[in-house]
Amino acid sequence: EADIYQTPRYLVIGTGKKITLECSQTMGHDKMYWYQQDPGMELHLIHYSYGVNSTEKGDLSSESTVSRIRTEHFPLTLESARPSHTSQYLCASSEYGSELAGTGELFFGEGSRLTVL
Amino acid sequence: AQKITQTQPGMFVQEKEAVTLDCTYDTSDQSYGLFWYKQPSSGEMIFLIYQGSYDEQNATEGRYSLNFQKARKSANLVISASQLGDSAMYFCAMRENGNQFYFGTGTSLTVIP
Repeated sequence: EADIYQTPRYLVIGTGKKITLECSQTMGHDKMYWYQQDPGMELHLIHYSYGVNSTEKGDLSSESTVSRIRTEHFPLTLESARPSHTSQYLCASSEYGSELAGTGELFFGEGSRLTVL
Repeated sequence: AQKITQTQPGMFVQEKEAVTLDCTYDTSDQSYGLFWYKQPSSGEMIFLIYQGSYDEQNATEGRYSLNFQKARKSANLVISASQLGDSAMYFCAMRENGNQFYFGTGTSLTVIP
């Protein structure tokens, strides 16, 4: 059973608002990721972190920012939401994965579905 | 170049039949991992099966098996005895360097009663 939690699950807000999507995991994983996904479409990596005080931008350009002050917490912030930010945001974590040592699969939260009006 | 290619946007299968979902990958690394995830309409991502590049035997997990053909760089998912609850999006993914994950565009599977 994966222990990774995202809040809120659903959020409807107006343009220009600041929002923070929360993601927490209790598995002690160093690696955490944020993906953006439109319904029925592929996942796009927008941010990742390999440990405390380490954050990087992913393949998809995003106006969001992240922080990693604690191992278990990886929040994503949008300073000024726009309708183009309407999407599902998936947080994930994994332990170090080595093909010689085992799986190291990504554990996903349930997602945060954001609608910006 | 795409790291993961899933060429079947949508697939249909009769209940209780087997179905194969295709996945090809592109990497020059010797060490990599291949994964399949299921995403029901509720949106969560469910890990199904893993195959390491050094594994010589195909991975199996219950009704799921991964047909790993290293020389062809393919990692097809086989679902045996399909059930209505198998209707979902299925994503193939690859991990390189122990850290970077790449996902395909997904295949939508519909199981017909």
